Amino acid sequence: AQKITQTQPGMFVQEKEAVTLDCTYDTSDQSYGLFWYKQPSSGEMIFLIYQGSYDEQNATEGRYSLNFQKARKSANLVISASQLGDSAMYFCAMREGGSYIPTFGRGTSLIVHP
Amino acid sequence: EAQVTQNPRYLITVTGKKLTVTCSQNMNHEYMSWYRQDPGLGLRQIYYSMNVEVTDKGDVPEGYKVSRKEKRNFPLILESPSPNQTSLYFCASSLEGPRGTQETQYFGPGTRLLVL
Repeated sequence: AQKITQTQPGMFVQEKEAVTLDCTYDTSDQSYGLFWYKQPSSGEMIFLIYQGSYDEQNATEGRYSLNFQKARKSANLVISASQLGDSAMYFCAMREGGSYIPTFGRGTSLIVHP
Repeated sequence: EAQVTQNPRYLITVTGKKLTVTCSQNMNHEYMSWYRQDPGLGLRQIYYSMNVEVTDKGDVPEGYKVSRKEKRNFPLILESPSPNQTSLYFCASSLEGPRGTQETQYFGPGTRLLVL
């Protein structure tokens, strides 16, 4: 079974609107970390946001926020006020408590159109 | 400027010809790792290193070697490349390993490898 599931292969959003990218995870550990990365067409991986399993508040970084629902094992990325430059692949990743090996989802391609 | 650098950025080679992809970071990070990215599969970790002379296998280590003789450098070695190693490779580093609090990984720009 996949540890990280991103069910949306592709998403479209209009500029200035908000968009939610889904991520569900599977772990039996109590301690774990969740990450989101952005990969533009140029190929580099850019860290966006991190949420620890014991963090009580949802993480926020500028226009990015992580909607963390622990009971549902979901860690959705919310991008507010989308910009054309947000068009990219987005990857959700998880690091389980005892592991040095993070697991990545297969990614969601986001296209922001004017 | 804090960064992770990889060289070369693009490489075309032939089956069996040994190659090395270099990775260097200037942030004094202890933890470094290598990933490969293939379409539809996301990123998969090849090897990681928790400090100098300390390395361990990731999810897909077969066909690869690494070394960590200096803190800043973490080269990836393909002793006998094969076509199934055609991929996009990323090096990454972080202050601590994934079990630490400073675990945000900084990625290099990627190396596109084609093995004919």
